[in-house]
Amino acid sequence: TQLLEQSPQFLSIQEGENLTVYCNSSSVFSSLQWYRQEPGEGPVLLVTVVTGGEVKKLKRLTFQFGDARKDSSLHITAAQPGDTGLYLCAGEDFNKFYFGSGTKLNVKP
Amino acid sequence: DAGITQSPRHKVTETGTPVTLRCHQTENHRYMYWYRQDPGHGLRLIHYSYGVKDTDKGEVSDGYSVSRSKTEDFLLTLESATSSQTSVYFCAINKDGGPEAFFGQGTRLTVV
Repeated sequence: TQLLEQSPQFLSIQEGENLTVYCNSSSVFSSLQWYRQEPGEGPVLLVTVVTGGEVKKLKRLTFQFGDARKDSSLHITAAQPGDTGLYLCAGEDFNKFYFGSGTKLNVKP
Repeated sequence: DAGITQSPRHKVTETGTPVTLRCHQTENHRYMYWYRQDPGHGLRLIHYSYGVKDTDKGEVSDGYSVSRSKTEDFLLTLESATSSQTSVYFCAINKDGGPEAFFGQGTRLTVV
């Protein structure tokens, strides 16, 4: 079993604050994805990182893939209430996807 | 929109009864997956398929079976439902072997 650990599990912050979510694994993955999930919906892909050391930006979200391709981070700048949701990381290996347990983010106005 | 439809969206069933969940995709992608999502466990892979009649087990396959007789449909069957199978079930596809999964809206199953 390929294990992905996310931290923190829960995060409650005020609008305008910055935050970082971490995803760590004991295994190397071919690629790593970040998803956001809202209540009653399926996860929606935010980004895929493939190369060790890669950094991708999506508006106020910055994603980083560790050099060894075993860990990743998601940084949100100036969080907004619309960022509220469950953030999931997933590692892909031979067309199978392994998910972390998620970080539940609540951004208060 | 990845063209994935799950049915039913909600179901309540009794312990010991068989249950089948359906996943239908409109884009003829090869890879399809069934996951379950429970608090504190994220998404766990139950079974997956890499083509018609080609399926394999995932991490939590005990008590579940699958069938894929057509490219567009992937069925998940609980042979004899138990309360531990109360969960939200998600179907996903992988487009042409790429590095991302795309999900349906989920089926909330309650076993009483």
